Amino acid sequence: DIQMTQSPSTLSASVGDSVTVTCRASQNVGNWLAWYQQKPGEAPKLLIYKASSLQGGVPSRFSGSGSGTEFTLTISSLQPDDFATYFCHQYKTYSTFGQGTKVEIK
Amino acid sequence: QMQLVQSGAEVKKPGSSVQISCKASGDSFTHRYLHWMRLAPGQPLEWMAWVTPFNVNTKYAQKFEDRLSFTRDMSMSTVYMDLSSLRSDDTATYYCATASEGGFQFDAFDMWGQGTMVIVSS
Repeated sequence: DIQMTQSPSTLSASVGDSVTVTCRASQNVGNWLAWYQQKPGEAPKLLIYKASSLQGGVPSRFSGSGSGTEFTLTISSLQPDDFATYFCHQYKTYSTFGQGTKVEIK
Repeated sequence: QMQLVQSGAEVKKPGSSVQISCKASGDSFTHRYLHWMRLAPGQPLEWMAWVTPFNVNTKYAQKFEDRLSFTRDMSMSTVYMDLSSLRSDDTATYYCATASEGGFQFDAFDMWGQGTMVIVSS
């Protein structure tokens, strides 16, 4: 199974900050990597697919990069609505997900 | 645009079974891959299986092969997931999800059900 290791597990930031979340795959997943946002009691929301493609309707302050085994999600100029949990998802071989990164208010 | 609506929360005894439904509205998911995942407390999201509503073709994660099954009611655009021999560590929120475009077995999921909480407790 491909393991997805995400860091950090928690991130404290302020409105306006730029934040980066990292995801590492135990095997090469090419660019078959997605990022999601999830808020308590809600379903996950797709932000980024194919490592760097922005899902329709998602603000451009969200961006993804990387390929192979190292990936990052960057949120530039954090907004109040962005405080949530983010997780990565490889879909090259079956599906596995990162543990999640909780972005909280500093 | 398609929406996925799941059945409500369940409380089950260990050893029993649970059935969760996932109903599509607004568009057909007949020829899509409908995936099922669960989120247990303190654990990452876990992929369980996909099912094709058209012919109930399936692919399972190995750990669920013996306990998971699917049925469908196409007239009601609904797929049912049955998980048997429940244990306390099956306590989780279960999700159905799909990709609205593309025909890949595995894909990024842009459509999700709202989740169904299942509590397994004696």
